[in-house]
Amino acid sequence: AAGVIQSPRHLIKEKRETATLKCYPIPRHDTVYWYQQGPGQDPQFLISFYEKMQSDKGSIPDRFSAQQFSDYHSELNMSSLELGDSALYFCASSPPDSGGQETQYFGPGTRLLVL
Amino acid sequence: AQSVTQLGSHVSVSEGALVLLRCNYSSSVPPYLFWYVQYPNQGLQLLLKYTTGATLVKGINGFEAEFKKSETSFHLTKPSAHMSDAAEYFCAVSETQGGKLIFGQGTELSVKP
Repeated sequence: AAGVIQSPRHLIKEKRETATLKCYPIPRHDTVYWYQQGPGQDPQFLISFYEKMQSDKGSIPDRFSAQQFSDYHSELNMSSLELGDSALYFCASSPPDSGGQETQYFGPGTRLLVL
Repeated sequence: AQSVTQLGSHVSVSEGALVLLRCNYSSSVPPYLFWYVQYPNQGLQLLLKYTTGATLVKGINGFEAEFKKSETSFHLTKPSAHMSDAAEYFCAVSETQGGKLIFGQGTELSVKP
Protein backbone atom coordinates (compact mmCIF):
# COMPACT_ATOMS: atom_id res chain seq x y z
CA ALA A 1 0.00 0.00 0.00
CA ALA A 2 1.14 3.52 -0.75
CA GLY A 3 2.50 5.47 2.17
CA VAL A 4 3.26 9.08 2.96
CA ILE A 5 6.36 10.22 1.13
CA GLN A 6 8.68 12.86 2.51
CA SER A 7 11.63 14.44 0.83
CA PRO A 8 14.40 14.87 1.40
CA ARG A 9 15.00 12.23 4.06
CA HIS A 10 18.05 14.01 5.36
CA LEU A 11 19.06 17.65 5.13
CA ILE A 12 22.03 19.57 6.44
CA LYS A 13 21.93 23.36 6.51
CA GLU A 14 23.91 26.20 7.99
CA LYS A 15 22.48 28.72 10.44
CA ARG A 16 20.42 31.46 8.78
CA GLU A 17 19.85 29.37 5.66
CA THR A 18 16.46 28.29 4.39
CA ALA A 19 15.04 24.81 3.92
CA THR A 20 12.02 23.37 2.17
CA LEU A 21 10.55 20.06 3.23
CA LYS A 22 8.06 18.27 1.02
CA CYS A 23 5.27 15.86 1.86
CA TYR A 24 3.23 13.73 -0.51
CA PRO A 25 0.17 12.28 1.25
CA ILE A 26 -1.35 8.91 0.64
CA PRO A 27 -3.52 9.08 -2.51
CA ARG A 28 -7.04 10.42 -1.83
CA HIS A 29 -6.05 11.75 1.58
CA ASP A 30 -7.11 15.37 1.89
CA THR A 31 -5.58 16.41 5.22
CA VAL A 32 -1.91 16.91 5.96
CA TYR A 33 -0.24 17.49 9.32
CA TRP A 34 3.29 18.57 10.20
CA TYR A 35 5.04 17.60 13.43
CA GLN A 36 8.48 18.38 14.82
CA GLN A 37 10.33 15.87 17.00
CA GLY A 38 13.42 17.18 18.73
CA PRO A 39 16.12 14.79 19.99
CA GLY A 40 14.66 12.61 22.70
CA GLN A 41 11.38 14.51 22.57
CA ASP A 42 7.82 13.64 21.68
CA PRO A 43 6.42 14.94 18.39
CA GLN A 44 4.98 18.44 18.58
CA PHE A 45 2.22 19.58 16.26
CA LEU A 46 3.15 22.44 13.95
CA ILE A 47 0.37 22.98 11.44
CA SER A 48 -2.29 21.18 9.42
CA PHE A 49 -4.15 21.66 6.15
CA TYR A 50 -7.50 20.40 4.96
CA GLU A 51 -8.48 20.76 1.33
CA LYS A 52 -5.63 23.22 0.78
CA MET A 53 -6.69 25.51 3.62
CA GLN A 54 -4.92 25.82 6.96
CA SER A 55 -7.07 23.96 9.46
CA ASP A 56 -5.07 24.27 12.68
CA LYS A 57 -1.89 25.83 13.92
CA GLY A 58 0.33 24.78 16.76
CA SER A 59 3.72 25.84 18.00
CA ILE A 60 5.10 26.81 14.63
CA PRO A 61 7.66 29.64 14.62
CA ASP A 62 6.92 32.72 12.53
CA ARG A 63 10.04 31.84 10.52
CA PHE A 64 8.23 28.79 9.22
CA SER A 65 5.43 28.74 6.68
CA ALA A 66 3.58 25.95 4.96
CA GLN A 67 1.01 25.35 2.32
CA GLN A 68 -0.93 22.59 0.65
CA PHE A 69 -1.13 22.51 -3.11
CA SER A 70 -3.88 21.51 -5.53
CA ASP A 71 -2.48 17.98 -5.76
CA TYR A 72 -2.63 17.82 -1.92
CA HIS A 73 1.10 17.69 -1.42
CA SER A 74 2.44 20.07 1.19
CA GLU A 75 5.63 22.01 1.71
CA LEU A 76 7.11 23.34 4.92
CA ASN A 77 9.35 26.33 4.35
CA MET A 78 11.82 27.20 7.06
CA SER A 79 13.84 30.41 6.99
CA SER A 80 16.59 31.89 9.14
CA LEU A 81 17.39 28.45 10.45
CA GLU A 82 18.60 28.15 14.01
CA LEU A 83 20.51 25.37 15.74
CA GLY A 84 17.37 24.54 17.69
CA ASP A 85 15.53 23.72 14.50
CA SER A 86 17.54 20.52 14.23
CA ALA A 87 14.92 17.83 14.53
CA LEU A 88 12.96 15.12 12.80
CA TYR A 89 10.05 16.59 10.88
CA PHE A 90 7.11 14.31 10.27
CA CYS A 91 4.31 14.70 7.86
CA ALA A 92 1.09 12.75 8.35
CA SER A 93 -2.00 12.45 6.21
CA SER A 94 -5.55 11.34 6.88
CA PRO A 95 -8.41 10.36 4.62
CA PRO A 96 -11.70 12.19 4.14
CA ASP A 97 -14.20 12.00 6.96
CA SER A 98 -15.37 8.42 7.33
CA GLY A 99 -17.48 8.65 10.44
CA GLY A 100 -14.84 9.50 12.97
CA GLN A 101 -12.43 6.76 12.07
CA GLU A 102 -9.77 9.02 10.59
CA THR A 103 -6.26 7.96 11.40
CA GLN A 104 -3.13 9.94 10.82
CA TYR A 105 -0.61 7.99 8.79
CA PHE A 106 2.93 9.17 9.28
CA GLY A 107 5.73 9.45 6.80
CA PRO A 108 9.31 8.38 7.57
CA GLY A 109 10.31 11.92 8.44
CA THR A 110 12.94 14.39 7.29
CA ARG A 111 15.92 14.67 9.56
CA LEU A 112 17.17 18.26 9.54
CA LEU A 113 20.54 19.15 10.98
CA VAL A 114 21.43 22.82 11.33
CA LEU A 115 25.12 23.53 11.80
CA ALA B 1 -6.42 21.68 27.49
CA GLN B 2 -5.63 18.16 26.54
CA SER B 3 -2.49 16.43 27.70
CA VAL B 4 -0.98 12.98 27.91
CA THR B 5 1.22 11.50 30.60
CA GLN B 6 3.14 8.30 30.08
CA LEU B 7 4.38 6.80 33.32
CA GLY B 8 7.90 5.54 32.92
CA SER B 9 10.22 6.79 30.24
CA HIS B 10 11.87 3.39 30.10
CA VAL B 11 10.39 -0.06 30.66
CA SER B 12 12.38 -3.27 30.51
CA VAL B 13 10.84 -6.73 30.34
CA SER B 14 12.05 -10.22 29.64
CA GLU B 15 11.11 -11.99 26.45
CA GLY B 16 7.79 -13.74 26.99
CA ALA B 17 6.78 -11.49 29.88
CA LEU B 18 3.77 -9.23 30.05
CA VAL B 19 4.18 -5.76 28.58
CA LEU B 20 2.33 -2.91 30.29
CA LEU B 21 2.86 0.67 29.16
CA ARG B 22 0.85 3.25 31.05
CA CYS B 23 -0.90 6.27 29.61
CA ASN B 24 -3.15 8.78 31.32
CA TYR B 25 -4.80 11.68 29.57
CA SER B 26 -6.69 14.81 30.36
CA SER B 27 -9.35 16.09 28.02
CA SER B 28 -12.35 18.33 28.33
CA VAL B 29 -14.33 16.25 25.87
CA PRO B 30 -14.53 12.53 25.08
CA PRO B 31 -11.15 11.89 23.54
CA TYR B 32 -9.82 9.95 20.62
CA LEU B 33 -6.85 7.91 21.85
CA PHE B 34 -3.98 6.35 19.96
CA TRP B 35 -0.84 4.33 20.51
CA TYR B 36 1.99 4.69 18.01
CA VAL B 37 5.29 2.80 17.87
CA GLN B 38 8.54 4.24 16.58
CA TYR B 39 11.47 2.00 15.69
CA PRO B 40 14.92 3.60 15.57
CA ASN B 41 15.32 6.07 12.74
CA GLN B 42 11.84 5.37 11.46
CA GLY B 43 8.46 7.07 11.39
CA LEU B 44 5.48 6.52 13.64
CA GLN B 45 3.34 3.46 13.04
CA LEU B 46 -0.18 3.19 14.41
CA LEU B 47 -0.64 0.29 16.82
CA LEU B 48 -4.26 0.88 17.74
CA LYS B 49 -6.84 3.56 18.37
CA TYR B 50 -9.96 4.22 20.39
CA THR B 51 -12.64 6.46 18.95
CA THR B 52 -16.03 5.22 20.13
CA GLY B 53 -17.66 1.92 20.99
CA ALA B 54 -15.90 -1.00 22.61
CA THR B 55 -13.45 0.12 25.26
CA LEU B 56 -11.06 -2.80 24.73
CA VAL B 57 -9.21 -2.18 21.52
CA LYS B 58 -7.06 -4.73 19.74
CA GLY B 59 -4.22 -3.62 17.55
CA ILE B 60 -1.42 -5.01 15.49
CA ASN B 61 1.38 -7.30 16.69
CA GLY B 62 -0.71 -8.66 19.57
CA PHE B 63 -1.09 -5.35 21.40
CA GLU B 64 -4.30 -4.18 22.99
CA ALA B 65 -5.43 -1.26 25.13
CA GLU B 66 -8.41 -0.53 27.31
CA PHE B 67 -10.06 2.86 27.56
CA LYS B 68 -11.10 3.52 31.16
CA LYS B 69 -12.97 6.78 31.39
CA SER B 70 -13.19 6.72 35.18
CA GLU B 71 -9.43 6.44 35.44
CA THR B 72 -8.68 8.61 32.37
CA SER B 73 -6.34 5.87 31.27
CA PHE B 74 -5.48 4.04 28.06
CA HIS B 75 -2.79 1.54 29.05
CA LEU B 76 -1.16 -0.62 26.38
CA THR B 77 -0.60 -4.30 27.02
CA LYS B 78 0.76 -7.38 25.32
CA PRO B 79 0.65 -10.79 26.99
CA SER B 80 4.06 -11.97 25.82
CA ALA B 81 6.91 -9.70 24.78
CA HIS B 82 9.01 -10.44 21.74
CA MET B 83 12.47 -9.12 21.00
CA SER B 84 11.06 -7.30 17.99
CA ASP B 85 8.81 -5.24 20.29
CA ALA B 86 11.79 -3.18 21.45
CA ALA B 87 11.00 0.37 20.35
CA GLU B 88 9.67 3.74 21.53
CA TYR B 89 5.94 3.85 22.20
CA PHE B 90 3.88 7.02 22.15
CA CYS B 91 0.39 7.53 23.49
CA ALA B 92 -1.55 10.35 21.84
CA VAL B 93 -4.88 12.10 22.26
CA SER B 94 -7.05 14.16 19.97
CA GLU B 95 -10.17 16.03 20.97
CA THR B 96 -11.67 16.24 17.52
CA GLN B 97 -12.10 13.95 14.57
CA GLY B 98 -9.04 14.44 12.44
CA GLY B 99 -7.62 16.97 14.86
CA LYS B 100 -4.04 17.44 15.89
CA LEU B 101 -2.43 14.77 18.02
CA ILE B 102 -1.01 15.60 21.42
CA PHE B 103 1.68 13.08 22.29
CA GLY B 104 2.97 11.81 25.58
CA GLN B 105 6.65 11.85 26.33
CA GLY B 106 7.15 8.34 25.06
CA THR B 107 8.19 5.09 26.71
CA GLU B 108 11.18 3.17 25.51
CA LEU B 109 10.57 -0.56 25.73
CA SER B 110 13.54 -2.87 26.07
CA VAL B 111 13.14 -6.64 25.80
CA LYS B 112 15.76 -8.87 27.41
CA PRO B 113 16.46 -12.36 26.10
